[in-house]
Amino acid sequence: DTGVSQNPRHKITKRGQNVTFRCDPISEHNRLYWYRQTLGQGPEFLTYFQNEAQLEKSRLLSDRFSAERPKGSFSTLEIQRTEQGDSAMYLCASASGGSSYEQYFGPGTRLTVT
Amino acid sequence: KNQVEQSPQSLIILEGKNCTLQCNYTVSPFSNLRWYKQDTGRGPVSLTIMTFSENTKSNGRYTATLDADTKQSSLHITASQLSDSASYICVVRATNTGNQFYFGTGTSLTVIP
Repeated sequence: DTGVSQNPRHKITKRGQNVTFRCDPISEHNRLYWYRQTLGQGPEFLTYFQNEAQLEKSRLLSDRFSAERPKGSFSTLEIQRTEQGDSAMYLCASASGGSSYEQYFGPGTRLTVT
Repeated sequence: KNQVEQSPQSLIILEGKNCTLQCNYTVSPFSNLRWYKQDTGRGPVSLTIMTFSENTKSNGRYTATLDADTKQSSLHITASQLSDSASYICVVRATNTGNQFYFGTGTSLTVIP
């Protein structure tokens, strides 16, 4: 499968624990996006990478959130000291550059904080 | 402010019927508009993409229209099937630098037998 993959698909954690999600984009895509989506809402932008550089972060990305893309390939999103309000679907998308690039989404990681 | 609004928020239709979903946007400068289908618990999948010069585009039973003057788009689904039950999200891309994608909140479509 050459699409965007995300791991794990589901994560249940207790409040206060740290969690880390991984996204593997389509191999030739240099742009990578993280979104958060709650039930009944559209995806909300969290952060964006071009190659290994994190170019933009949403105000939704509090100090407890950190994202990396160390070699410009896969990316990780870490949430420290999770709160119940962090329960959501976390989506990753990748895109190539150019004037007509489109985003391809992964299947998402469903986080439940108990 | 760049915004994308969709209506209705939810819709229930009988199998075999047609429906139309709406998307209004204020994103500028405009690059393209895309409709995604998102099944429950899965990532969005692209249905159509439309640029400034395109008025209509079809993908099987899905037909999207774009009026760049009024900044409105619609997604028409013909002869609905149970598998069409999903959330449909309108995404507008701007030509500014950085994060360029603006998402609507989606329309939840339920097709009942």
